[in-house]
Amino acid sequence: SAVISQKPSRDICQRGTSLTIQCQVDSQVTMMFWYRQQPGQSLTLIATANQGSEATYESGFVIDKFPISRPNLTFSTLTVSNMSPEDSSIYLCSVSEGGFEQYFGPGTRLTVT
Amino acid sequence: DQQVKQNSPSLSVQEGRISILNCDYTNSMFDYFLWYKKYPAEGPTFLISISSIKDKNEDGRFTVFLNKSAKHLSLHIVPSQPGDSAVYFCAASAISGDYKLSFGAGTTVTVRA
Repeated sequence: SAVISQKPSRDICQRGTSLTIQCQVDSQVTMMFWYRQQPGQSLTLIATANQGSEATYESGFVIDKFPISRPNLTFSTLTVSNMSPEDSSIYLCSVSEGGFEQYFGPGTRLTVT
Repeated sequence: DQQVKQNSPSLSVQEGRISILNCDYTNSMFDYFLWYKKYPAEGPTFLISISSIKDKNEDGRFTVFLNKSAKHLSLHIVPSQPGDSAVYFCAASAISGDYKLSFGAGTTVTVRA
């Protein structure tokens, strides 16, 4: 399966600022996804990152708050904008190589103070 | 609206014995199911999956059973080993859903020596 890396692995940010998280895959993949795991909660899909076009957002998530880029088949970024303490979560990217199985990166642990 | 439910937040089992994790779902459009394992500070790791056309899938120590009529699936780990101590997530997807996954809340498994 693909090897996925994320940067940064963790960060502590002040409210009102923005953080961009990078997801790099070692091979071209069909689909890339971004998830959030809030403390003590399950994984929630934020959006599907589409190569060369706008991301597809799930209910409750909007582009102004979570802009996503996917310039090619191996890279994507998620920006968490105008952060508040409620955005403190683990953010995960995942990839699919064409099937239902998704493979996850190690996650980015974000704390907003 | 939680469409995938893991009602047992935790499970403690003796090393060498069987671990049984349960998962229920409400969306009748789900037709592919997966189990993931997650260690602290790591991303989820794909474990095993099952299609709705099957009622059982086995991979080494891990077996997943699916009861479509009851909208229920379970993961059996036998024998349980200390390295199996982790959080286990059940996930589901619908063929018509662009490969998006809906996750349960997770079950923390502790294997006692």
